[in-house]
Amino acid sequence: RKEVEQDPGPFNVPEGATVAFNCTYSNSASQSFFWYRQDCRKEPKLLMSVYSSGNEDGRFTAQLNRASQYISLLIRDSKLSDSATYLCVVNIGTGFQKLVFGTGTRLLVSP
Amino acid sequence: EPEVTQTPSHQVTQMGQEVILHCVPISNHLYFYWYRQILGQKVEFLVSFYNNEISEKSEIFDDQFSVERPDGSNFTLKIRSTKLEDSAMYFCASSLLAAWAFNEQFFGPGTRLTVL
Repeated sequence: RKEVEQDPGPFNVPEGATVAFNCTYSNSASQSFFWYRQDCRKEPKLLMSVYSSGNEDGRFTAQLNRASQYISLLIRDSKLSDSATYLCVVNIGTGFQKLVFGTGTRLLVSP
Repeated sequence: EPEVTQTPSHQVTQMGQEVILHCVPISNHLYFYWYRQILGQKVEFLVSFYNNEISEKSEIFDDQFSVERPDGSNFTLKIRSTKLEDSAMYFCASSLLAAWAFNEQFFGPGTRLTVL
């Protein structure tokens, strides 16, 4: 089983749509969880951390289910600028941060 | 806004040559990392570095790889004898705090390494 698994997509949605991405991870000892965004040929940038109780940042909502080892990201009211690859990232380090990336889910928002 | 910088943006080298990739982390950050991303594949952790020592490394980071912080600002990745399969984008990252915090790693723009 892959350490971090995501549907590669692409997800094609119209502007204004709501879209959800899922991710599963295999290491039950994983310490912390993140969603990063990566634009084509650019560096990953942190979108949001994922807390156990779930958290929201504007149009973005992240959820974590430790029992099922499952993470989700919901994007409401999609904008053209949301078009990117969304990386599910798990920290498996204990003393120091060791990030394990999923392959990413590509989102294309069209007018 | 402070940022991680990397040079060069693109490096072309012949197989078997040594390359050094340069990074300047954010100035008050204490933890430094290298990742690579082969074209079309996922980002992969290579190594983390703290207090002038490697704190963790992956299986990819074999004896051909080394890291150094030669002065107070630069953080370098050296590949001693490049192979074709080393062709990838190499990202440097830095963070202020340690692993236990929901601590953001800031990534540089990357160096594209092409091995011919």
